[in-house]
Amino acid sequence: KQEVTQIPAALSVPEGENLVLNCSFTDSAIYNLQWFRQDPGKGLTSLLLIQSSQREQTSGRLNASLDKSSGRSTLYIAASQPGDSATYLCAVRDFGNEKLTFGTGTRLTIIP
Amino acid sequence: KAGVTQTPRYLIKTRGQQVTLSCSPISGHRSVSWYQQTPGQGLQFLFEYFSETQRNKGNFPGRFSGRQFSNSRSEMNVSTLELGDSALYLCASTSALGSTDTQYFGPGTRLTVL
Repeated sequence: KQEVTQIPAALSVPEGENLVLNCSFTDSAIYNLQWFRQDPGKGLTSLLLIQSSQREQTSGRLNASLDKSSGRSTLYIAASQPGDSATYLCAVRDFGNEKLTFGTGTRLTIIP
Repeated sequence: KAGVTQTPRYLIKTRGQQVTLSCSPISGHRSVSWYQQTPGQGLQFLFEYFSETQRNKGNFPGRFSGRQFSNSRSEMNVSTLELGDSALYLCASTSALGSTDTQYFGPGTRLTVL
């Protein structure tokens, strides 16, 4: 059974700093891994999708990496802004399955 | 192209009642999944439909059911509501089985059971 863990559960950093969010999963037989953002009381916004054959994906100030063999992914946010404050969730999709297994999220606060 | 829409956005029910939530996927998407989000359990998979067939089901009691229509719209039903069913219910759509595309989530339906 796939299990996804995100550490830390909460993180506060001053505006302008670079930061890294971590995600680990137990079963490396994954189809892809996605990073989502969730604002309070809202749905999920997809940030980056990494296929199992890829090592990283970039979108603007965001860079996500995937190390399938070690069961780890990181989300790097450069030059953080107050608008980046949200909960960040990683989710793994296993082979042969449309189901996503989510981590518990990291609540990020950017301090102006 | 319109995103995933969910109705209603908010619901208040009392214990023992039943509720039906609706999800309209992105036009052209044929796979719809449902998730429950609670502060204690996080996001948990409920079920997934493709071409009107339930393909996968999470570990939830039989009070939770769903269906998908020929136009890919989906509904989920919860009968005999319990306080613990209070949650944000999210649906997601993707274009096809085995798609390499992301899953797109709707804004959710906030269900409160009193």
